[in-house]
Amino acid sequence: EAGVTQFPSHSVIEKGQTVTLRCDPISGHDNLYWYRRVMGKEIKFLLHFVKESKQDESGMPNNRFLAERTGGTYSTLKVQPAELEDSGVYFCASSQAPAGYTEAFFGQGTRLTVV
Amino acid sequence: AQRVTQPEKLLSVFKGAPVELKCNYSYSGSPELFWYVQYSRQRLQLLLRHISRESIKGFTADLNKGETSFHLKKPFAQEEDSAMYYCALSYNAGGTSYGKLTFGQGTILTVHP
Repeated sequence: EAGVTQFPSHSVIEKGQTVTLRCDPISGHDNLYWYRRVMGKEIKFLLHFVKESKQDESGMPNNRFLAERTGGTYSTLKVQPAELEDSGVYFCASSQAPAGYTEAFFGQGTRLTVV
Repeated sequence: AQRVTQPEKLLSVFKGAPVELKCNYSYSGSPELFWYVQYSRQRLQLLLRHISRESIKGFTADLNKGETSFHLKKPFAQEEDSAMYYCALSYNAGGTSYGKLTFGQGTILTVHP
């Protein structure tokens, strides 16, 4: 069975440009999460989808970030316009039940560099 | 607000020595605690969770509510244990049950031969 897949694995963009990250969760996992690790800091929660609904988006840093999960399958995270401080590794995770009850499976991450 | 603290950024031990990775948390309710591990060139994966009370790869962790700690221990470290270890917490936040994970800063464990 395929695990959580993220595209692209690396992205280098200029400040002010737009980038869209994609996450394909494990099939059948209703819960999907986005996290971010900025260099030297801890992994921070961004948001949590249950199917296509945003259950918790308390970690989204500002309105330059837009996450969608149309149809409750894959999810995209768009950053527009990108700023230097957005650089980091973006992780997606999925789980059958909420992550406090069961294992969350993580993707390999997308390394975003804004120059 | 909830917080997870891992005081050691780096920890080095020799093969066969005991190892303890420290984790302290702050949360007023009843959290769920986890240890996640990321081996070199692999994705982050669950190592163990306190509610399971199990030993995985020789590692154990006991939740101490009095000291608000969830330290990870192994009596005899192996070279293949070298990895980044993250302590994480989940909680029931009124209507948003146990979804979000709050991570510590991580500890890089190096086991020398």
